[in-house]
Amino acid sequence: AQSVTQLGSHVSVSEGALVLLRCNYSSSVPPYLFWYVQYPNQGLQLLLKYTTGATLVKGINGFEAEFKKSETSFHLTKPSAHMSDAAEYFCAVSGGNQGGKLIFGQGTELSVKP
Amino acid sequence: DADVTQTPRNRITKTGKRIMLECSQTKGHDRMYWYRQDPGLGLRLIYYSFDVKDINKGEISDGYSVSRQAQAKFSLSLESAIPNQTALYFCATSHQDSPGGPQHFGDGTRLSIL
Repeated sequence: AQSVTQLGSHVSVSEGALVLLRCNYSSSVPPYLFWYVQYPNQGLQLLLKYTTGATLVKGINGFEAEFKKSETSFHLTKPSAHMSDAAEYFCAVSGGNQGGKLIFGQGTELSVKP
Repeated sequence: DADVTQTPRNRITKTGKRIMLECSQTKGHDRMYWYRQDPGLGLRLIYYSFDVKDINKGEISDGYSVSRQAQAKFSLSLESAIPNQTALYFCATSHQDSPGGPQHFGDGTRLSIL
């Protein structure tokens, strides 16, 4: 069985500040991990993914995430927030070759203050 | 044109009505999924299909049915709509060569049941 927990349903940062969105997972098989972003009235867009190999993965729009197996975490970071980063962010896990089904966290809404 | 198209984008209907949400894709993917999104709950899988002759229940399939009319089309039906099925519904696709994901999402259908 797999599950995802995102710590904090709302995160607010100032423009230019560090963005840190937390995600912890549980999985009985080696996980594939994803971060998606959802802008208002739009579907989900893939930010980045971890499957195998390098544990620090870089995505679009300056975001990156690090897979830490010992901590069962996959936190999303960005060094300097922009106003355009305001959106909802979802962490998701799949069981690798177990058919592509995604289990999502509950989402974190990011607000960016001027 | 969008790669994954959902119709309608918005629908308001009454309790007891039968509703069909449609999804079509031009990505050539063999795998298709239906999710619902509720505030604070993230996305939950309703049904998924790995090819035209394959239909599988997700974690919340009760009250829903699906039809895979062709590789590019996957429709979701609510047989007798009830108010707690009010939600944002997403269709997604993925390629068999990426079994762990990621998935490509449509822009969603906002369904309100009165």
